[in-house]
Amino acid sequence: GENVEQHPSTLSVQEGDSAVIKCTYSDSASNYFPWYKQELGKGPQLIIDIRSNVGEKKDQRIAVTLNKTAKHFSLHITETQPEDSAVYFCAIRGGNTGNQFYFGTGTSLTVIP
Amino acid sequence: DVKVTQSSRYLVKRTGEKVFLECVQDMDHENMFWYRQDPGLGLRLIYFSYDVKMKEKGDIPEGYSVSREKKERFSLILESASTNQTSMYLCASSPRDRGPFRLNTEAFFGQGTRLTVV
Repeated sequence: GENVEQHPSTLSVQEGDSAVIKCTYSDSASNYFPWYKQELGKGPQLIIDIRSNVGEKKDQRIAVTLNKTAKHFSLHITETQPEDSAVYFCAIRGGNTGNQFYFGTGTSLTVIP
Repeated sequence: DVKVTQSSRYLVKRTGEKVFLECVQDMDHENMFWYRQDPGLGLRLIYFSYDVKMKEKGDIPEGYSVSREKKERFSLILESASTNQTSMYLCASSPRDRGPFRLNTEAFFGQGTRLTVV
């Protein structure tokens, strides 16, 4: 399958600070890059996504940037709150049919009140 | 509200048993997926189906098979369960990709089935 590397694996920040999670990928044909948040005992849920025809997208405190040339994309969370504590996964849509989703290994974010 | 439903939240099975994990989606999605989630390894694709009766192996298909007889249902089968298949299993569905500008093409996940093989 396609390789997606995600860093860091764990991240602790003080409430109100920013958090940044980075992913790199290998499939140059990928054109869709979603980010998922997984809370304890639940399945992952989409929080933001970006397509290859844009370089940045923002939704309130969450933003995603994409550098398609360098094959990396990042999640930025500003003004972090305790409820942001969760595991975050980056993903790419690609594979031989262009319809498979490949995920990073996840980042466990802890926001300290 | 879109929904992907997995039949069980928790399962305990014995080594050697044949295990069925069921997943149903109500969004008329063409694509369905089975992932396995283990600490430090993220979500690994076991099998993918892009249409009824169609399937493709993912990264870790060994020891698993799948069935998709109807569009809304995708089953994961452990032919002979082993302890190394103890894990969280996640089902997902998505619409088929029809170009870079189509909206709402993300994967939607079920709640997961935590399977323990003893």
